[in-house]
Amino acid sequence: AQSVTQLDSHVSVSEGTPVLLRCNYSSSYSPSLFWYVQHPNKGLQLLLKYTSAATLVKGINGFEAEFKKSETSFHLTKPSAHMSDAAEYFCVVSDSGGFKTIFGAGTRLFVKA
Amino acid sequence: DGGITQSPKYLFRKEGQNVTLSCEQNLNHDAMYWYRQDPGQGLRLIYYSQIVNDFQKGDIAEGYSVSREKKESFPLTVTSAQKNPTAFYLCASSVIGTGAETQYFGPGTRLLVL
Repeated sequence: AQSVTQLDSHVSVSEGTPVLLRCNYSSSYSPSLFWYVQHPNKGLQLLLKYTSAATLVKGINGFEAEFKKSETSFHLTKPSAHMSDAAEYFCVVSDSGGFKTIFGAGTRLFVKA
Repeated sequence: DGGITQSPKYLFRKEGQNVTLSCEQNLNHDAMYWYRQDPGQGLRLIYYSQIVNDFQKGDIAEGYSVSREKKESFPLTVTSAQKNPTAFYLCASSVIGTGAETQYFGPGTRLLVL
């Protein structure tokens, strides 16, 4: 069975400092992994996705994530936070066919000036 | 502009009333989905559809119904049987393939009970 755990419900960083949002997953198959971002009262937008190609995945707005099979992790990072990064971030795992898609509970990122 | 639209943005439901949330996409996607989002929780799948006139229950289908009469439209009805309907409802669509397909989300509808 699939599952996804976002290890922090809230993360607070100062503007210009690195961001780390942690995600662990479990899957019986070779999963596809995604990070989505949601700004308040908006829909979700794809940041990046892993599909068994390169383990380091680069996304939009300077975000990237590294797939580590041995650690079953897919942590999201950004070298320097911007105020506009304040939002909720969801880690998502999907098996083949796309209809077994599990969303993590979300991590809310706060960025302090 | 291609995308997904949801209406209304806010919807109020009275006790015992059925309400319908609209979802339209012009991305020519075969698959469409309805999710429910509650505070502090991830998205939970209500229903999904892979093709016109066919749909499948997700994890929390009780108290909800859907139809898929047209490829671009996937309305969700919240029935009176849904005892706790207050939530943020998100519609999404995608192509059908191997599982790595990006889901494209609408802006959401917030349903509140009077």
